[in-house]
Amino acid sequence: KAGVTQTPRYLIKTRGQQVTLSCSPISGHRSVSWYQQTPGQGLQFLFEYFSETQRNKGNFPGRFSGRQFSNSRSEMNVSTLELGDSALYLCASSSGGGLYGYTFGSGTRLTVV
Amino acid sequence: ELKVEQNPLFLSMQEGKNYTIYCNYSTTSDRLYWYRQDPGKSLESLFVLLSNGAVKQEGRLMASLDTKARLSTLHITAAVHDLSATYFCAVGDDMRFGAGTRLTVKP
Repeated sequence: KAGVTQTPRYLIKTRGQQVTLSCSPISGHRSVSWYQQTPGQGLQFLFEYFSETQRNKGNFPGRFSGRQFSNSRSEMNVSTLELGDSALYLCASSSGGGLYGYTFGSGTRLTVV
Repeated sequence: ELKVEQNPLFLSMQEGKNYTIYCNYSTTSDRLYWYRQDPGKSLESLFVLLSNGAVKQEGRLMASLDTKARLSTLHITAAVHDLSATYFCAVGDDMRFGAGTRLTVKP
C-alpha cells in the first residue's frame, strides 16, 4: 500500500513569506503528527491531529499551525518565515493511536533565505 | 516536561562487536519507539515497546523497556556495516525524541 506522501519535497522561501506543507497519510490512518528536524535542535514535535482535531501541540510559536481534513490529509502552515525555520519537516501517520508504530514520510526540506 | 536522553551520541564500532545504546526519559511512560535514519532519508520504524519488560528482536537488534527505571536499551549484536545509521528513541503518545545516536560500523 502507498506510504505517507509529503509535498513538496523541496521548497525555498524568502523571510517574511508564508508556506503550506501537505501530508497524505497511509490509507486508513487517522492520526497525523508533524516534526521539525534541524542539526542543532534535532527532532522536535510540532503537533498531532486525530480525526480533524488537534490532540497535542509542541512548544512552537503561533506562526506554526496545522489542520486535518475529513480524509485525514493534513497541512501545516508557517507564517512570517524566519531563517531559523529552515529545516526538514516530517509527518508521520499511525493507526491505533501509535500502538503499531508510526510511518514517516520522506519530508519537505524548507530553506528560508 | 518530558525529557529524553540518549547515550552515547556517537558510537564507532568494529564489525563483529556488540554494543548497547541507552535511552533514559524523565517522566512515566509506557510507550517507547526506536527508529533508524540513514543520511538524507526519513525515519524507519524499528520497534514499538508498550509495557514494562517488553523485549523485541529483529536480526542483530534487540530492544527492551524498563518503565520503572525509565530506561530502554537497543542492543546491537555482531555489528555489520549495514547497521551504520542514526538511531533515535522516542517516548510517549506524542513521541518526544532523543538526540539520536550516530552509529558507524567499521570493518
